[in-house]
Amino acid sequence: EDQVTQSPEALRLQEGESSSLNCSYTVSGLRGLFWYRQDPGKGPEFLFTLYSAGEEKEKERLKATLTKKESFLHITAPKPEDSATYLCAVQSLWNNNDMRFGAGTRLTVKP
Amino acid sequence: DAGVIQSPRHEVTEMGQEVTLRCKPISGHNSLFWYRQTMMRGLELLIYFNNNVPIDDSGMPEDRFSAKMPNASFSTLKIQPSEPRDSAVYFCASNPGLAGSSNEQFFGPGTRLTVL
Repeated sequence: EDQVTQSPEALRLQEGESSSLNCSYTVSGLRGLFWYRQDPGKGPEFLFTLYSAGEEKEKERLKATLTKKESFLHITAPKPEDSATYLCAVQSLWNNNDMRFGAGTRLTVKP
Repeated sequence: DAGVIQSPRHEVTEMGQEVTLRCKPISGHNSLFWYRQTMMRGLELLIYFNNNVPIDDSGMPEDRFSAKMPNASFSTLKIQPSEPRDSAVYFCASNPGLAGSSNEQFFGPGTRLTVL
């Protein structure tokens, strides 16, 4: 069964303090790994898709990386507006379109 | 682009009542997904449709839950009768669902359901 584990559950950073969020996964053939951002009271917002080990993608202060067992979301010099819950999800080659989500990491960036 | 539209945004009902949640996917998207999010269980897939046909409903918790997609632009999730443990945020998402296209899903704003 596909599994996704995110750590830490919660992370508090000072503005400008860089850090990384972890997503460990077990899947029978990875079709894609997805990162989403979710703000309180809103639906998840798509950030990145990674398809193969070694792949990296960047967007502003965020960079996502992928290995065969885990993905990292690196946050460089975060700002308070980066505060949100970050969700990781995997899609299996055998399950076509559905996704398995992790529990998320709740990030708080203090000014 | 209006994105995925869900209604109502909030629903408060009493135990035993029927609840219907509605979703309009992004125009041109062929796949539609219903999720439930709670603090305890996170984001769980309930059912998904491809070209209006239910493909996988193994996540539907009980027979009290049913979902329909009568056409490409509309889907409903119905709970009858509702119970307090059904209280959660229900999200609808869509994606192009085409071979070779990107697979990310686009989520609506959710419906917060409270069953008293």
